[in-house]
Amino acid sequence: NAGVTQTPKFRVLKTGQSMTLLCAQDMNHEYMYWYRQDPGMGLRLIHYSVGEGTTAKGEVPDGYNVSRLKKQNFLLGLESAAPSQTSVYFCASSYPGQGVSRETQYFGPGTRLLVL
Amino acid sequence: AQSVTQLGSHVSVSEGALVLLRCNYSSSVPPYLFWYVQYPNQGLQLLLKYTTGATLVKGINGFEAEFKKSETSFHLTKPSAHMSDAAEYFCAVSEGTGGFKTIFGAGTRLFVKA
Repeated sequence: NAGVTQTPKFRVLKTGQSMTLLCAQDMNHEYMYWYRQDPGMGLRLIHYSVGEGTTAKGEVPDGYNVSRLKKQNFLLGLESAAPSQTSVYFCASSYPGQGVSRETQYFGPGTRLLVL
Repeated sequence: AQSVTQLGSHVSVSEGALVLLRCNYSSSVPPYLFWYVQYPNQGLQLLLKYTTGATLVKGINGFEAEFKKSETSFHLTKPSAHMSDAAEYFCAVSEGTGGFKTIFGAGTRLFVKA
């Protein structure tokens, strides 16, 4: 199993450009998440999905959109990039089961995004 | 509301010394508690987790953590540090309503000196 993979690994954008980050998982997980990681701030949840075709906002959703058209894929879009969106983006997934299995997250390797 | 506080953004130890990374949490219900480790340029990996039962939890790579309800703490320890332990460590708390309610601490970067 590849686990959770993210594409691309690194990207440089100019202010106002758009891009899509792709997350894929092969563990048949129902739940998927997008986080951003900034120095000294830990991980902050951007959007999440509890199943194919469903998405919801997390803690810091402004400026981002997501789609979950297929169970294994979760896309994060930036419609008009801003320097404040320079960050490292992590995708994660988890089982839908009961208890701690639902809470245990499996992370991708991250995408480093620089917005100039 | 849940919250997590990791005391010390950086911790430095000598190889072979005790590692102690501190985590305090707040939660309105019995929480699930986690420690994740992030090696350079990688994603987070689960180190260990606490649900219910035994308050001393053993994880991978010789790490363990003890849940102390009275102190609302979940500190991470390892008796003898190895160079390969150098990484960033994140404590996280969840109230069991789904991973989207997990709160991560700000992280503690562990440096190991030869």
